Amino acid sequence: DGGITQSPKYLFRKEGQNVTLSCEQNLNHDAMYWYRQDPGQGLRLIYYSQIVNDFQKGDIAEGYSVSREKKESFPLTVTSAQKNPTAFYLCASSTGGGVRYEQYFGPGTRLTVT
Amino acid sequence: AQKITQTQPGMFVQEKEAVTLDCTYDTSDPSYGLFWYKQPSSGEMIFLIYQGSYDQQNATEGRYSLNFQKARKSANLVISASQLGDSAMYFCAMSPHSGGSYIPTFGRGTSLIVHP
Repeated sequence: DGGITQSPKYLFRKEGQNVTLSCEQNLNHDAMYWYRQDPGQGLRLIYYSQIVNDFQKGDIAEGYSVSREKKESFPLTVTSAQKNPTAFYLCASSTGGGVRYEQYFGPGTRLTVT
Repeated sequence: AQKITQTQPGMFVQEKEAVTLDCTYDTSDPSYGLFWYKQPSSGEMIFLIYQGSYDQQNATEGRYSLNFQKARKSANLVISASQLGDSAMYFCAMSPHSGGSYIPTFGRGTSLIVHP
């Protein structure tokens, strides 16, 4: 079945450590996205990529980094520079163009930094 | 810049009744798409329905319909015959069709609880 996988579902880290969240899709989608969701908030865009080897900052990119070396994969690194990294992180993909381009989401990773 | 407003933090509905979740938007783009997503307690966002700004008819997908009023810039989601499994967060989103990036803006969501 086609879809998006994110691992792990729960992640715990000590403050000051970098951590990488995995996102893989087998939908053959060109565009991929990373969102952060905090309680009572909507989704805020961290980074997005429309093609391999290219990505753009979203609204809250500070303290995060990404790579897009393969079409299927878009890992997100939460660096120690991110001041408040504890949150729910969602990865999404879409066809990237056309009239209708709904996003398909992964199950999310809940990151807790103490 | 795009803005999505969902004014209802929480809604309650009796099972089998219909419910309307409000969404208003603001954009200067002449062409755009409107989306609704459902987020159950498991966390995964599920696409429900899409409405294009130039579509003549309101979108429908099973028990979901979108009450699109372009002049009022509103795109309310109507869920008919509510089921217990409809209890979830619901997010409205909008993407511009211009500029080539199609990056959606999401509202803060509405929590829906369906009572038996």
